[in-house]
Amino acid sequence: RKEVEQDPGPFNVPEGATVAFNCTYSNSASQSFFWYRQDCRKEPKLLMSVYSSGNEDGRFTAQLNRASQYISLLIRDSKLSDSATYLCVVNKIGFGTYKYIFGTGTRLKVLA
Amino acid sequence: SQTIHQWPATLVQPVGSPLSLECTVEGTSNPNLYWYRQAAGRGLQLLFYSVGIGQISSEVPQNLSASRPQDRQFILSSKKLLLSDSGFYLCAWHIPGQGGNEQFFGPGTRLTVL
Repeated sequence: RKEVEQDPGPFNVPEGATVAFNCTYSNSASQSFFWYRQDCRKEPKLLMSVYSSGNEDGRFTAQLNRASQYISLLIRDSKLSDSATYLCVVNKIGFGTYKYIFGTGTRLKVLA
Repeated sequence: SQTIHQWPATLVQPVGSPLSLECTVEGTSNPNLYWYRQAAGRGLQLLFYSVGIGQISSEVPQNLSASRPQDRQFILSSKKLLLSDSGFYLCAWHIPGQGGNEQFFGPGTRLTVL
């Protein structure tokens, strides 16, 4: 079983739609959680950290469920510019080092 | 503000040739540094990470090596490239205990081994 699992998609949605992605992780000792966005042939860029109480940044809402070990990302009022691959990332700390485990990503296409 | 540089941006190398990719970070001190590889259509694979000068941890056995000669410099090398070394190589930094432990990436080097 992969440490971080995501549905690869693609999710094809019309402009203005609401779309949600889920991600599950296997290590219950994971400590920090993130969503990154990666455009084609570019580096991943931090979209938002995911906090236990849930957090929102404009049209984006992230949720964490530690009991069920999953993370979600909700995008409201989708824009064409939201088309990208969204990476779920889990961080674990051991012996003073931080390791980041990446999911393989969920591809989103927002259609005009 | 912190910035991270990688070069070259693209590279085409023959099988069996050597490799040296460089990553430098500006605007911060004592970062943790990471090398990842992303094969076409695949996820990010952690190759090496470093918590300080001269300290390298390897995640997967392979024909690559890494070095950290200075605090803000991280180098990825190979003596003889394989076809399977093709991919998108990303350097990343992180400051332990700062903020939410976010990790930030350089622009990457796209390597094609022929």
